[in-house]
Amino acid sequence: ELKVEQNPLFLSMQEGKNYTIYCNYSTTSDRLYWYRQDPGKSLESLFVLLSNGAVKQEGRLMASLDTKARLSTLHITAAVHDLSATYFCAVDRPENTDKLIFGTGTRLQVFP
Amino acid sequence: DAGVIQSPRHEVTEMGQEVTLRCKPISGHNSLFWYRQTMMRGLELLIYFNNNVPIDDSGMPEDRFSAKMPNASFSTLKIQPSEPRDSAVYFCASSINSIHEQFFGPGTRLTVL
Repeated sequence: ELKVEQNPLFLSMQEGKNYTIYCNYSTTSDRLYWYRQDPGKSLESLFVLLSNGAVKQEGRLMASLDTKARLSTLHITAAVHDLSATYFCAVDRPENTDKLIFGTGTRLQVFP
Repeated sequence: DAGVIQSPRHEVTEMGQEVTLRCKPISGHNSLFWYRQTMMRGLELLIYFNNNVPIDDSGMPEDRFSAKMPNASFSTLKIQPSEPRDSAVYFCASSINSIHEQFFGPGTRLTVL
């Protein structure tokens, strides 16, 4: 069964600092998705990574995918308060590609 | 595009009542997903449809839950009878088969008293 694990689960960081959120998954998959959820809001798609070595950047966030290691990272550069949210990664199931398996989420709090 | 539309946005009902949640996917999307999110259990996939056909309902908690998709632009999730443990935020999402990136609606916050 495909399992998706994120760490850390909670992250409290100071503005201006850098940090990385990790997403590990247990079986082969070539596609990985990152979502953001603000408190009380819906999930918003951030990045779609479709192949090994894919790297995407938007503002202070950069996501990468290593399918051989079954690992994706979400790197935060010079964090600002507006990045405070919960971040989810999700993976395609190789045998059933309509369905995404979501990680547990990483709750990020950025403080001054 | 208006995105995925869900109604109602908030629903408060009493235990034993029937609840119907509604979803309109993004036009042209052929997969539709119903999720439930709670603090305790996180985000759970309940059921998904492809081309209006239910493909996987293994996440539906029990017979009290049912979902339909009578056409490409409308789906319902029904709970009958509702129980307090059904209180959660229910999200609908849609995607195109070739890409699988799911777009989520605003959610329905259900409270069962």
